[in-house]
Amino acid sequence: SAVISQKPSRDICQRGTSLTIQCQVDSQVTMMFWYRQQPGQSLTLIATANQGSEATYESGFVIDKFPISRPNLTFSTLTVSNMSPEDSSIYLCSVRAQETQYFGPGTRLLVL
Amino acid sequence: KQEVTQIPAALSVPEGENLVLNCSFTDSAIYNLQWFRQDPGKGLTSLLLIQSSQREQTSGRLNASLDKSSGRSTLYIAASQPGDSATYLCAVRLFQGGSEKLVFGKGTKLTVNP
Repeated sequence: SAVISQKPSRDICQRGTSLTIQCQVDSQVTMMFWYRQQPGQSLTLIATANQGSEATYESGFVIDKFPISRPNLTFSTLTVSNMSPEDSSIYLCSVRAQETQYFGPGTRLLVL
Repeated sequence: KQEVTQIPAALSVPEGENLVLNCSFTDSAIYNLQWFRQDPGKGLTSLLLIQSSQREQTSGRLNASLDKSSGRSTLYIAASQPGDSATYLCAVRLFQGGSEKLVFGKGTKLTVNP
């Protein structure tokens, strides 16, 4: 199994600002995943982060808007840049351990 | 493009009832399927994982089945309890172009009334 923690758990931000979300895993993993869950919607994959290489972004998501760092095998950050109210969502960090996918508790973001 | 659909979107049952949640997917080329539970304002908790070669998995009062050829999975909850109230999500794992991803349904919101 894998235990994932995220910081912050929630935040309220002003439009035009940026927020960096941290994700820490209790074991070394090759890939870390960042998901977004908009209000009333299911989860959508933003990007996959491998240690030592550029993150791979899904269609509709770009590095300038969602830069990701992956400095080691247990840690990653996702930045939501130049925020607008449409970025209000829950952002979840996730890893795969053996065959099972595990998720962090999420960061609930409200942009005013 | 893989699409995952969950029916019903919401379900309300009295305590003690047995119930079935449905999940369907459009492309049978999946690696595995996973059921999750999400409590309000929280992250996801993994319930059951079914490999593409398996037909079902059981954990306690939960039983998940998979019919890959027809693109369907069901989650059976026996003797439901108020603590089972949550949103249940199914997700299929795909490998595409050297990368992997989970594609989620929108979930079924379950309410079990005491």
